[in-house]
Amino acid sequence: GDSVTQMEGPVTLSEEAFLTINCTYTATGYPSLFWYVQYPGEGLQLLLKATKADDKGSNKGFEATYRKETTSFHLEKGSVQVSDSAVYFCALGSNTGNQFYFGTGTSLTVIP
Amino acid sequence: SAVISQKPSRDICQRGTSLTIQCQVDSQVTMMFWYRQQPGQSLTLIATANQGSEATYESGFVIDKFPISRPNLTFSTLTVSNMSPEDSSIYLCSVDEGTGTYEQYFGPGTRLTVT
Repeated sequence: GDSVTQMEGPVTLSEEAFLTINCTYTATGYPSLFWYVQYPGEGLQLLLKATKADDKGSNKGFEATYRKETTSFHLEKGSVQVSDSAVYFCALGSNTGNQFYFGTGTSLTVIP
Repeated sequence: SAVISQKPSRDICQRGTSLTIQCQVDSQVTMMFWYRQQPGQSLTLIATANQGSEATYESGFVIDKFPISRPNLTFSTLTVSNMSPEDSSIYLCSVDEGTGTYEQYFGPGTRLTVT
């Protein structure tokens, strides 16, 4: 079945460092891919999305490219800030039975 | 995107009691979902709640424990029945606006602690 495998954390970075959080997926159909962010004590917010191969989602300096050849959707940011400290979830929305799959989440802490 | 609110935002309950969580959406949506997020974990889908039909429960979740109502296209409730400390979690509702891209928008969650 469809699934998402996400890089395990926790990840600790210094402010202005480069961030990569890896996400790979398995899907039988043509899924949409998402990154969600959960700030401490809050619900999930949609950070960015890509709905077809080679699409690049971007928001708030974060980017991820839907790569079908490597079945990946890695999250990147060139220069992280303390305010980016949160848990990041990769997710897949599948047209196979209208299912939605979450990765395990990666906790990011950015230190000044 | 849809704006979703949940009530209560948090509660502390005694074991053996029940709590009903409300989810309100600012627009009409067909598909609503209820998730559980246990401490430090990812999200687990409890059930899909579509208006006009019975909720569809995922493996490991049953209607007697988590009854769901969906009286119209903007509202749903989830009840956590006969609670035990293992039910301590964040409960989130979400919606799919039906755009065909499968993205879901989430409410702020209800943080439940069972003592």
